[in-house]
Amino acid sequence: KAGVTQTPRYLIKTRGQQVTLSCSPISGHRSVSWYQQTPGQGLQFLFEYFSETQRNKGNFPGRFSGRQFSNSRSEMNVSTLELGDSALYLCASSLLTGGSYNEQFFGPGTRLTVL
Amino acid sequence: AQKVTQAQTEISVVEKEDVTLDCVYETRDTTYYLFWYKQPPSGELVFLIRRNSFDEQNEISGRYSWNFQKSTSSFNFTITASQVVDSAVYFCALSEALRVSNYQLIWGAGTKLIIKP
Repeated sequence: KAGVTQTPRYLIKTRGQQVTLSCSPISGHRSVSWYQQTPGQGLQFLFEYFSETQRNKGNFPGRFSGRQFSNSRSEMNVSTLELGDSALYLCASSLLTGGSYNEQFFGPGTRLTVL
Repeated sequence: AQKVTQAQTEISVVEKEDVTLDCVYETRDTTYYLFWYKQPPSGELVFLIRRNSFDEQNEISGRYSWNFQKSTSSFNFTITASQVVDSAVYFCALSEALRVSNYQLIWGAGTKLIIKP
């Protein structure tokens, strides 16, 4: 079974630009979560999608947005990039059945550098 | 408020030594989950263990063991006979939400473990 895939793996952008990151969850997984990891702030939850609906959102500005498609693939978008947006962006998928907790499986991440 | 504290920023030991990574958590919920993840230099987070708040039994998996103590709100991780391949950043995390519609992980800052040959 293929794992969580994220594209691109590396990205370099300049301030003010926008960027779209993609995540393909494990087949059959309907929940996708996004995290930002920086040396200063550590791992921070961005948002979670389930069945094309955003169910939970972390404390990030509106420049950070996302969506999920009917095939569970997800994209996140960051507009008007700032230097502080340089980070490793991790996507995680989960099966989420029956109401009990299901572990999250993480992708390799997209490393975004903003110049 | 929920919080996970990993006070050890970096630990360096010589191969074959035992090492314990500390994790202290705060939550007001009576039902919650605790996790440990490993992040090798490649960047991908690897799930190690999940423990729910009703199960305080210690767990052993090969050279890895976990000690969960609700009385001290701690969930410590021990690697016995460490190996160079254990070098990574280890994260402890907390999840409070039980409802399917709402969950997220609260992460500790991570402990960088360096195993010297």
